[in-house]
Parts: sequence; C-alpha cells; structure tokens
Amino acid sequence: DGGITQSPKYLFRKEGQNVTLSCEQNLNHDAMYWYRQDPGQGLRLIYYSQIVNDFQKGDIAEGYSVSREKKESFPLTVTSAQKNPTAFYLCASRGDSRPNYGYTFGSGTRLTVV
Amino acid sequence: GNSVTQMEGPVTLSEEAFLTINCTYTATGYPSLFWYVQYPGEGLQLLLKATKADDKGSNKGFEATYRKETTSFHLEKGSVQVSDSAVYFCALISNSGYSTLTFGKGTMLLVSP
Repeated sequence: DGGITQSPKYLFRKEGQNVTLSCEQNLNHDAMYWYRQDPGQGLRLIYYSQIVNDFQKGDIAEGYSVSREKKESFPLTVTSAQKNPTAFYLCASRGDSRPNYGYTFGSGTRLTVV
Repeated sequence: GNSVTQMEGPVTLSEEAFLTINCTYTATGYPSLFWYVQYPGEGLQLLLKATKADDKGSNKGFEATYRKETTSFHLEKGSVQVSDSAVYFCALISNSGYSTLTFGKGTMLLVSP
C-alpha cells in the first residue's frame, strides 16, 4: 500500500544536540511538507518542497533544516538553534498542486528534549 | 493572508447527539476547504472536502457545506458515536498562486456512552 512513513515514532534528544526526523513516501508525489503541532496551536508549516532539489521556508523555519535529494525522501533536522523543539512533527505529501487536492499525512514523530 | 478560525473545544457530547463544529475562514481568491480528523497519537486523515461555493462534502455521516457568503464550512453529524472522539481540523488551500494548507487550531470532540 502506498503511504508516508515517518520514523521513529518517539524520539528523545538532549539539549544542544541536532536530530533528524525521517519522512519517506512511495506515492510518487512531487510535493512534501513538514508541520509542527503543539497543543492548542494547530499545525504550523516548517518547510516544504515542490520538487526534488528545491525547498522553501514555511512560517516557522528558524532552527530547522531540510534536504530533498530524492523524490521519496524529505528529512527534517531539528538543530540546537531551535529553542523549543519538543513537539509532534507531521510530514505530508501532495501529488497535484491544484487547490482541490488535499495532503496525505504520515503518522508523526513525537520529539522530546530531555 | 489566509486564516482559519474554529470553535474552541473540547466539545463534550453523549452518544447519538447532534454535532456542529464551527469553522470560518479568510482567504484570497476562492479556496478549497477541508476537514481533517486526528485520532490520539496518529497523523491526520482527510475527512471531507469542498472545492467551490455551495458544494457539500460528506463522509462517514459527517457533512459540511461551503458557504461563500458567510465564509464558513461548519462540520455536522446527526448522531455521534464514541469512536468519533478525536481532534477535528478545518483547513484551506487558496487558489491564488501556489498555496500551502492552512489549518485552524483544531477542536477536540469527546463522546461519552
């Protein structure tokens, strides 16, 4: 079955360390997205990529970095510059850029800084 | 810019009660509108969508009608079940240029037996 796989499901990081969250899709979608979810704040866009080797900052990109070397993969690195990284991170993809096409989401990674 | 406003939760109902979750939006152009559902510890699933004025999206007993005149997309269900307990997100994509999905803050629904 086609879908989006995020790993790991739970991740613990010590303060000052960088950590990379994995997102892989086998849907042959061109566009991929990273959102951050905090209680009571909804989902906020971190980065997105419309095509391989290209990506754009979203609303809250500071302290994060991404790469898009392959169509299937869009890893997110949470750097030590991110002041409050504890959150639930969701990856999504979309196969058509027309507005009436929604996103397909992964099951998320919960990151906790200890 | 684009924005979505949802009623704050939690919404607490008894099984078989009628559900309404209000959603209003601000957007450039004529957006497509979506409702997503998130069960505990999981990602988001598309529940329903509507792409033009007066369209009604429906799925699993849930319905929402795209009201351009009131810029609203309220979610309704005639008889909720315990299994409907989840967080519901209203969202939009504008048709003005390349647009990303903009979400409301989510509304938690708790249904008791």
